[in-house]
Amino acid sequence: AQTVTQSQPEMSVQEAETVTLSCTYDTSESDYYLFWYKQPPSRQMILVIRQEAYKQQNATENRFSVNFQKAAKSFSLKISDSQLGDAAMYFCAYRSAIDLQGGSEKLVFGKGTKLTVNP
Amino acid sequence: NAGVTQTPKFQVLKTGQSMTLQCAQDMNHEYMSWYRQDPGMGLRLIHYSVGAGITDQGEVPNGYNVSRSTTEDFPLRLLSAAPSQTSVYFCASSYIRGIQAGANVLTFGAGSRLTVL
Repeated sequence: AQTVTQSQPEMSVQEAETVTLSCTYDTSESDYYLFWYKQPPSRQMILVIRQEAYKQQNATENRFSVNFQKAAKSFSLKISDSQLGDAAMYFCAYRSAIDLQGGSEKLVFGKGTKLTVNP
Repeated sequence: NAGVTQTPKFQVLKTGQSMTLQCAQDMNHEYMSWYRQDPGMGLRLIHYSVGAGITDQGEVPNGYNVSRSTTEDFPLRLLSAAPSQTSVYFCASSYIRGIQAGANVLTFGAGSRLTVL
């Protein structure tokens, strides 16, 4: 079974600075998808960014970018120019492409990293 | 477009009571699922469905039942609530079909906080 590990339970960053959240995963599969979700105090789960394992290029979405290292099974999230609204729990998640072909969209989540943004 | 709607948002139960968490989506998504979120545990999959009449177990299915009689609805039933089921529950749905089906993103409901005394 796949596992996702977020080794930083909590992180803090100064407003306008850059912060990197770590995520590692364990899988024997070669084709899969990786996601970062944000959960603000409102509790709503919001997709931040996604990465297809077959793509070499790292995904970017405005101030959010990832460092995807397939051989190392690492998928870190970098937030540039941090804003107060970035304060939230961040979850890394894995989805198998094999399960997908069988009709399942199951996500395996890490335990989350709580990000605090200091003014 | 309402997306994924969960009701109720908050519920307090006594041990042994039963209840149903409702989930409805208006996006014609084939896939629907239930997760529970506990402090320090992330989100764990309870049950999922790939279409009407088809359900399957996730990682933590014990104590929960589901059914999928329509594409839109996927209720989660607690038959005899236990304090260990105190949690925040999320319903999520997505398409399965599509050229880039693997890139389909789960749409989450707003969550339901359940407390079992």
